Amino acid sequence: GESVGLHLPTLSVQEGDNSIINCAYSNSASDYFIWYKQESGKGPQFIIDIRSNMDKRQGQRVTVLLNKTVKHLSLQIAATQPGDSAVYFCAEIKTLPQRRGKLIFGQGTELSVKP
Amino acid sequence: DAGVTQSPTHLIKTRGQQVTLRCSPKSGHDTVSWYQQALGQGPQFIFQYYEEEERQRGNFPDRFSGHQFPNYSSELNVNALLLGDSALYLCASSRQGAGDPYEQYFGPGTRLTVT
Repeated sequence: GESVGLHLPTLSVQEGDNSIINCAYSNSASDYFIWYKQESGKGPQFIIDIRSNMDKRQGQRVTVLLNKTVKHLSLQIAATQPGDSAVYFCAEIKTLPQRRGKLIFGQGTELSVKP
Repeated sequence: DAGVTQSPTHLIKTRGQQVTLRCSPKSGHDTVSWYQQALGQGPQFIFQYYEEEERQRGNFPDRFSGHQFPNYSSELNVNALLLGDSALYLCASSRQGAGDPYEQYFGPGTRLTVT
């Protein structure tokens, strides 16, 4: 089947600490894995992606790790700020010919940052 | 540069009624995807439109239909509404042949409540 799930539904951290959000996926054929941030009243916003042939990718304050052996994806946020408070979704996509493909989202983790 | 816009913002309908939701893609984008997001869940893919044709569909009944216009804007129609159709409906746009296939820009969504 196609499913992407998260280990923890909620995560509370202190401002300045590092945050780690985890995700399990089931479709080994997916080409890309993506993290989205969704704030209240808004649509999902792209954070960072990783191709299936990579293990790690870094962005500004964020790092995504991919472990294909155990089908696990994680998002690390360094020096978490109050503005990082949101629901975070992992998603996967298997690209098809003509660049088609549907995003398959997980349930989401709510990150709460305490000042 | 306007992003993805959706209308209306909120909508309340009664069971059995029909509803039409509208989406205008980001400037320069030609592909529109629709997602349904139930409360506390990740978005679920409904279908995708390109060149005024539905080219991929998720596991949604025929009560869900759509249309894409020559200006790339799109409509989502839902007939015979059920209570379970209550959700946030997200529109995402992308550009065929440009960028990665998951680079879908999401609108703020339409909150549909069925009573």
